[in-house]
Amino acid sequence: DAKTTQPNSMESNEEEPVHLPCNHSTISGTDYIHWYRQLPSQGPEYVIHGLTSNVNNRMASLAIAEDRKSSTLILHRATLRDAAVYYCILQGGTSYGKLTFGQGTILTVHP
Amino acid sequence: DTEVTQTPKHLVMGMTNKKSLKCEQHMGHRAMYWYKQKAKKPPELMFVYSYEKLSINESVPSRFSPECPNSSLLNLHLHALQPEDSALYLCASSLARFSTDTQYFGPGTRLTVL
Repeated sequence: DAKTTQPNSMESNEEEPVHLPCNHSTISGTDYIHWYRQLPSQGPEYVIHGLTSNVNNRMASLAIAEDRKSSTLILHRATLRDAAVYYCILQGGTSYGKLTFGQGTILTVHP
Repeated sequence: DTEVTQTPKHLVMGMTNKKSLKCEQHMGHRAMYWYKQKAKKPPELMFVYSYEKLSINESVPSRFSPECPNSSLLNLHLHALQPEDSALYLCASSLARFSTDTQYFGPGTRLTVL
């Protein structure tokens, strides 16, 4: 499985934008980039995914580099509820549903 | 309804006990998963079921025995566990196993083996 690299931790202030980076230099052409997050004492939850184009949904935006070797999850206005571990995961056509979680980024949001 | 439920929330068992974890979803999903998560570590995939058949076993010891009696229900039978098996056990489901399918996770069962 292609690997992702994320910073161990990041900090933000409430109501400010947060940019969470992910490097995936060995991504293949059929790999989708997925982001999940895990709030304290909860199971992971889906945030967003994309293939080549930037994507927006009600939770976040995903900016994908033109060469697809990196991506950035953007939380437009962080809230205290966004404090979580954020996982960037590649899922390709042959993964058949397997999600391989890396270490993720621990996001701390300060009031 | 996008909910995956898991019971029990907490479970304490001895090494000679037999217990089961239960997972249920009513979203019409045909793929279901078990993950194991140790403290401060990411989830690790254990098993994948697709259309009620076991598709992936990530070399999990036989003391963990999964079962999918129908498309809505997934069980994990536990027998002769070791203290190092103490962890959060997460269940997830997805519509199918395509790379675009979102996985929905339950809250997990926190297992302690004494």
